[in-house]
Amino acid sequence: DARVTQTPRHKVTEMGQEVTMRCQPILGHNTVFWYRQTMMQGLELLAYFRNRAPLDDSGMPKDRFSAEMPDATLATLKIQPSEPRDSAVYFCASAIYEQYFGPGTRLTVT
Amino acid sequence: AQSVTQLGSHVSVSEGALVLLRCNYSSSVPPYLFWYVQYPNQGLQLLLKYTTGATLVKGINGFEAEFKKSETSFHLTKPSAHMSDAAEYFCAVSDDPGNTPLVFGKGTRLSVIA
Repeated sequence: DARVTQTPRHKVTEMGQEVTMRCQPILGHNTVFWYRQTMMQGLELLAYFRNRAPLDDSGMPKDRFSAEMPDATLATLKIQPSEPRDSAVYFCASAIYEQYFGPGTRLTVT
Repeated sequence: AQSVTQLGSHVSVSEGALVLLRCNYSSSVPPYLFWYVQYPNQGLQLLLKYTTGATLVKGINGFEAEFKKSETSFHLTKPSAHMSDAAEYFCAVSDDPGNTPLVFGKGTRLSVIA
């Protein structure tokens, strides 16, 4: 039963620290999405990739967020420096005909 | 641009009663429509999806939804609510879910009263 995995599942950090979230897409899925869920904004797209190339990162604050796919088995989302307003659940989804979501990373920035 | 409106941020029903969660969408192209469920502190689980063909779609846990193009709606129903149905439900739209992002509604929290 292939699944999208995300690490860490939970992260608590202090303001100003760097945070890296990782996602392992399902083997063979060539499109990867990053979404963020907050109480105020709901679920919103941050960025997505096809065949490891970034297609749209307009949802990300450019000055502090970065997303990459170093290889086909790993997608990363980095925040540097983190701020309390970044506290949210970050979901990764991989897709071939539909999107399959990972369990999410719950980030708390104090 | 696509958008999704879910009417009612919170719906409360009695156990055994009909569940109706409303979703209206906006799309300039034939849409793919989805309902996801999220239990507390968990990820998103696909309940059901409409792609093409039959407009009445059956999903897991006894849920179903009907695509009504004329009303741009995709309401979620279940004949008899169970306590375990208490969760957050999200409606989403995409024009090509394998290749383009999902646009989500704000979600509806379903409470089931014993």
